[in-house]
Amino acid sequence: KAGVTQTPRYLIKTRGQQVTLSCSPISGHRSVSWYQQTPGQGLQFLFEYFSETQRNKGNFPGRFSGRQFSNSRSEMNVSTLELGDSALYLCASSLDSQNYGYTFGSGTRLTVV
Amino acid sequence: AQSVTQLDSQVPVFEEAPVELRCNYSSSVSVYLFWYVQYPNQGLQLLLKYLSGSTLVKGINGFEAEFNKSQTSFHLRKPSVHISDTAEYFCAVIVIMNTGFQKLVFGTGTRLLVSP
Repeated sequence: KAGVTQTPRYLIKTRGQQVTLSCSPISGHRSVSWYQQTPGQGLQFLFEYFSETQRNKGNFPGRFSGRQFSNSRSEMNVSTLELGDSALYLCASSLDSQNYGYTFGSGTRLTVV
Repeated sequence: AQSVTQLDSQVPVFEEAPVELRCNYSSSVSVYLFWYVQYPNQGLQLLLKYLSGSTLVKGINGFEAEFNKSQTSFHLRKPSVHISDTAEYFCAVIVIMNTGFQKLVFGTGTRLLVSP
């Protein structure tokens, strides 16, 4: 059974650019959550999607957005990149976030220069 | 107030010695508790979780944790560590948001350093 796949693994972008990250959940999982991990702030919840609808949103500016497709794959987008957006972005999938069975991907390492 | 607190940022230990990584949670959050491990340049791997039932939870790689409601703790233990256990360990708790849905809230992590 394939795990959670995040692409790309590494990304370097320039300030002001935008970026799109992708997450393919485990087959059959309908919930996808996104987290940002930085040395200073640790692991912070970004948002959660279930059946193409955003159910939860963390305390991030509107530059951070996401979506989920009918096949449960999810993308997150960050516009007008800032140096502080450099982080490891992790996604987690579950059948439904209410059942506590989260499986994480390996993450996308974003570096903003 | 922090939902979950990991007091030790780093724990050095010698190979084959026992180790305990401490985690305390806020009494205002749920008692659905997790321990995850993160190896360098990797995502998070679930070690174990407590949802209900027996307060002693056994996980993968020889780890176990004990849920203690009176002390609001969920400490992770291993009787004998290996070099390969060197990693970052995160305690996490389920928090119910005002939407009625949940999210995982993580502690700041504890770096376990195992030396020969």
